[in-house]
Amino acid sequence: DIQMTQSPSSLSASVGDRVSITCRASQNIGSYLAWYQQKAGKAPKLLIYGASSLQSGVPSRFSGSGSVTYFTLTISSLQPEDFATYYCQQTYTTLVGYTFGQGTKLEIK
Amino acid sequence: EVQLVESGGGLVQPGGSLRLSCAASGFTFSNYWMHWVRQAPGKGLVWVSRINNDATGTSYADSVKGRFTISRDNARKTLYLQMNSLRAEDAAVYFCASGRRAFDIWGQGTMVTVSS
Repeated sequence: DIQMTQSPSSLSASVGDRVSITCRASQNIGSYLAWYQQKAGKAPKLLIYGASSLQSGVPSRFSGSGSVTYFTLTISSLQPEDFATYYCQQTYTTLVGYTFGQGTKLEIK
Repeated sequence: EVQLVESGGGLVQPGGSLRLSCAASGFTFSNYWMHWVRQAPGKGLVWVSRINNDATGTSYADSVKGRFTISRDNARKTLYLQMNSLRAEDAAVYFCASGRRAFDIWGQGTMVTVSS
């Protein structure tokens, strides 16, 4: 199975801060990596696909980078509505499932 | 409007069965692979199962293999998840999801509680 490991598990930051979340894959997944934002009681929302492509309608302060096994989600200037939990997901293969990372909870400092 | 609406969740005893449904609208359902994802209370997202667009291929997480069956009816634009031999650890909100390059379409989720 492909394991996805996110870090940190939680993060405290202030409005206006620049923050980054990392995701490591246990094997080469090329650029088959997506990032989601989830708020309490809601379905996840796709932010980034293909490691660095911004989903339509997502603010440009969100960006993704990386390939092979190491990926990063960056929020350039945190807004109040960005405090949520973020998940990475490999979309490389469905033979073993489209595995998610364990999540990173972004909280207000 | 592109939409997925799940139904069928509820309270079931350990060892029991439940069938979840996911009704699609606003997009060409028969062109898309479909997935089930679950989330236990206070926990992260876990991919459960997927089915390809013409129902000729399926795959499952090891934790549900042999107990859950995914299916679809393209004429009814509906996805299903038959869950048998339910365990306490299957309790979760179950989401259906789809998309071309990742999951950009999600339902609101349906809650499954497994308890005696």
